[in-house]
Amino acid sequence: DAKTTQPTSMDCAEGRAANLPCNHSTISGNEYVYWYRQIHSQGPQYIIHGLKNNETNEMASLIITEDRKSSTLILPHATLRDTAVYYCIVRVDSGGSNYKLTFGKGTLLTVNP
Amino acid sequence: GAVVSQHPSRVICKSGTSVKIECRSLDFQATTMFWYRQFPKQSLMLMATSNEGSKATYEQGVEKDKFLINHASLTLSTLTVTSAHPEDSSFYICSARVAGTGYTFGSGTRLTVV
Repeated sequence: DAKTTQPTSMDCAEGRAANLPCNHSTISGNEYVYWYRQIHSQGPQYIIHGLKNNETNEMASLIITEDRKSSTLILPHATLRDTAVYYCIVRVDSGGSNYKLTFGKGTLLTVNP
Repeated sequence: GAVVSQHPSRVICKSGTSVKIECRSLDFQATTMFWYRQFPKQSLMLMATSNEGSKATYEQGVEKDKFLINHASLTLSTLTVTSAHPEDSSFYICSARVAGTGYTFGSGTRLTVV
């Protein structure tokens, strides 16, 4: 799987949009970009994933650059409960069930009141 | 959505004893589950891949005789930490692959060995 680079930490004001960047310059054509988050002392939670088109769901939006070498996760209206470590992971979505996820260090997003 | 239930959420055990952690897929069948370990202020580290009906695949450096994994059914995988020592104290998390959303994770088990 391609390696990802994320800032160690970021701050965001409550109610504002949180934009979390991720660099994956060595991504392959068949690798998807996944985002998970982990709130303290809980298991990771799936947020969103995409291949090359921008994606949006009830939690967030994912913007992938045209060359696919970087992406941005956008939380449109951050709340205090969005404080968590956010992980950007790229991997092949082979459809098989036994392809493991490898976590980097992620970005600690702190939403301030 | 797909839910993975993990128990117990917290456990304290004496050094030298064994502890079993259960991971159940509640509304789907999981032929493969994954076990992670997370030390304070660190990221998740994959320990092993658990395959239903066959032996688990362990990551390099993980002692298979110490961390016993059993995946006897399509909805249950267990991790047993044998002869636990204080250095095994950690946050253990299981996960399973779910079509469409990638992976779903259990809520984790905080193990403290005293």
